Formats: sequence, structure tokens, C-alpha cells
Amino acid sequence: DAKTTQPPSMDCAEGRAANLPCNHSTISGNEYVYWYRQIHSQGPQYIIHGLKNNETNEMASLIITEDRKSSTLILPHATLRDTAVYYCIVRVLQRAGNNRKLIWGLGTSLAVNP
Amino acid sequence: ETGVTQTPRHLVMGMTNKKSLKCEQHLGHNAMYWYKQSAKKPLELMFVYSLEERVENNSVPSRFSPECPNSSHLFLHLHTLQPEDSALYLCASSLIGGGASNEQFFGPGTRLTVL
Repeated sequence: DAKTTQPPSMDCAEGRAANLPCNHSTISGNEYVYWYRQIHSQGPQYIIHGLKNNETNEMASLIITEDRKSSTLILPHATLRDTAVYYCIVRVLQRAGNNRKLIWGLGTSLAVNP
Repeated sequence: ETGVTQTPRHLVMGMTNKKSLKCEQHLGHNAMYWYKQSAKKPLELMFVYSLEERVENNSVPSRFSPECPNSSHLFLHLHTLQPEDSALYLCASSLIGGGASNEQFFGPGTRLTVL
């Protein structure tokens, strides 16, 4: 089962910041938070990830609360091309083979409106 | 363009057919994955190959048979499928080990319809 909960859908006006929340209250100390998005008819695309500190890259910013029980993905100036399903995922470290597993949920469907 | 290609992009097959899905990555990664994405359901991890060895098989029926001949190629062989196997099949690759961040790069998927 997914270790994250997200709102099923959100709207955002073009040019404004899109703030996508995610709850992961059962996250363990060594588990990372990853964000991906999936534009219609394409495969998922990696956006950003973090453990404890806030992170920023050319696509987005990730704000993680101090207790690590929730996070927010920020798209600073949303465009129509940012319309997609956004997945917040906890990367679980499995015991066997040092393998790391992404546990996917249903994500948030973000609609950016003109 | 993510560096992961999948063929075919669309496939329609009968329940008695045998077909194969192909995935190729040009990123120098050492792990490859097959996922199934059905409508209204989360992505389901099917198989994981690390350094060309299968390290995970998530209770996938034997009518799905993966093959990883080298670190750049991954196949999913299909036979006697059921209509409920209709879905988007996604391939991904990543770097694992050595402190790599393990972000996965996905192909565009194969849309499979089983009649």
C-alpha cells in the first residue's frame, strides 16, 4: 500500500504558483520522498526528491516539514504544459539485495487553467 | 525524450497469441523495471532486474515472462493473456548502488489491449 496521501485533484491559474500537498505520516527516518509527474499518454517523469532538507531544482521546489510527516511540491510559475498527474512517493529500502522500491499512489491530477 | 524507448507503442492481441514488448535504455543504467498501469489503479511494479539478474518478481502470473539479455535491453514476453491484462506497460531504468539517487527514467509505455 502507498505510504502517502494526496488530494485527488487541484486547479491552478496559469502563471501562478501551484502548491501540491502530500502526507506521509508513517515515513521512516531513512526513507526519501520522491515526486514524479505523468502527462497524458506519456510515462512518468522524475521531478525532485528529498530526505530532510528543502530542495530546489530547475523544475520545482520541495518543502519537507521538520517532523517529515508531510511535504509540498511547488511549481513556482505554472504553465499549461504542467497539467499532469503528480505523484508523491516514499522510497522504501527493502532488506533483500539493498533494493529500493517506489510505492506509488493515485497522485493529484493538476489542471492548469488559462 | 527520456533515453528509454519502448516498442511497440500500441498492441492488440487475442488471448491465444504470443507477443513480446521491448525496452531499451541509452543511459548507462544498471537496473531495469517493468510496471503495469491500469485505469484508476496505482502503478504496479512487476519485475526488477539489477545487473541483469532478476531481483524482484511481485507475484506476477506466469503468462508474463521477463528477459534481460544485457543491461540495456529488457523484454516482456506475453502468452495466453486475459482481457484484464489490458493496460499500459511501462519500462523504467535507474542507477543503483554507490550512493546513486535511484531516480527512475520511464519509457512512453506500450498500450496493450487483449481481446
